Amino acid sequence: AQKITQTQPGMFVQEKEAVTLDCTYDTSDQSYGLFWYKQPSSGEMIFLIYQGSYDEQNATEGRYSLNFQKARKSANLVISASQLGDSAMYFCAMREGYGSGSARQLTFGSGTQLTVLP
Amino acid sequence: DTEVTQTPKHLVMGMTNKKSLKCEQHMGHRAMYWYKQKAKKPPELMFVYSYEKLSINESVPSRFSPECPNSSLLNLHLHALQPEDSALYLCASSPQRGSDTDTQYFGPGTRLTVL
Repeated sequence: AQKITQTQPGMFVQEKEAVTLDCTYDTSDQSYGLFWYKQPSSGEMIFLIYQGSYDEQNATEGRYSLNFQKARKSANLVISASQLGDSAMYFCAMREGYGSGSARQLTFGSGTQLTVLP
Repeated sequence: DTEVTQTPKHLVMGMTNKKSLKCEQHMGHRAMYWYKQKAKKPPELMFVYSYEKLSINESVPSRFSPECPNSSLLNLHLHALQPEDSALYLCASSPQRGSDTDTQYFGPGTRLTVL
């Protein structure tokens, strides 16, 4: 079974509007971390936002917020006031074993290609 | 500063060539990673170095040989590659501290073409 599922291969949003990118995850660990990365066509993976499994508040970073619903195992990314520069591939990722002190790999979803329309 | 640098940006090589990819970070991170990414796909983990020791090798063919000369540097030596090895190669690093989120920060990648 897939550990990270992103069901939207492509999304379109009008400039200045908000958009939600979906991510659901599957883990039996109590401790885990959820990440969102942005990858423009240039290729670099840019870290956007992090949510720990024990964090009670939803994470926010500027125009990015993470809608964390633990019981539903979802970690949706909300981008407010979309800009043309937000057009990119967005990956949701999970690391199991939060704070374990050892290097743990990330499991990535298949990604969502976001296009912001002028 | 969350910068990871990679050189070269682009590399074209023949199947008989030997080349190396280089990755550098000066954030004091103790874990470094190599990923391979095909177009429109998520990155696939290849290798993880933890405190300069190879800790994860995801059954990567021996024509890829990683090296971690010191805590800031990570190399990927390439030899006798196949055309299907053409991809974007991403390097990442993370702090690897027990109480940290241990976020991985990525470099800009090397686009490799094997002819």
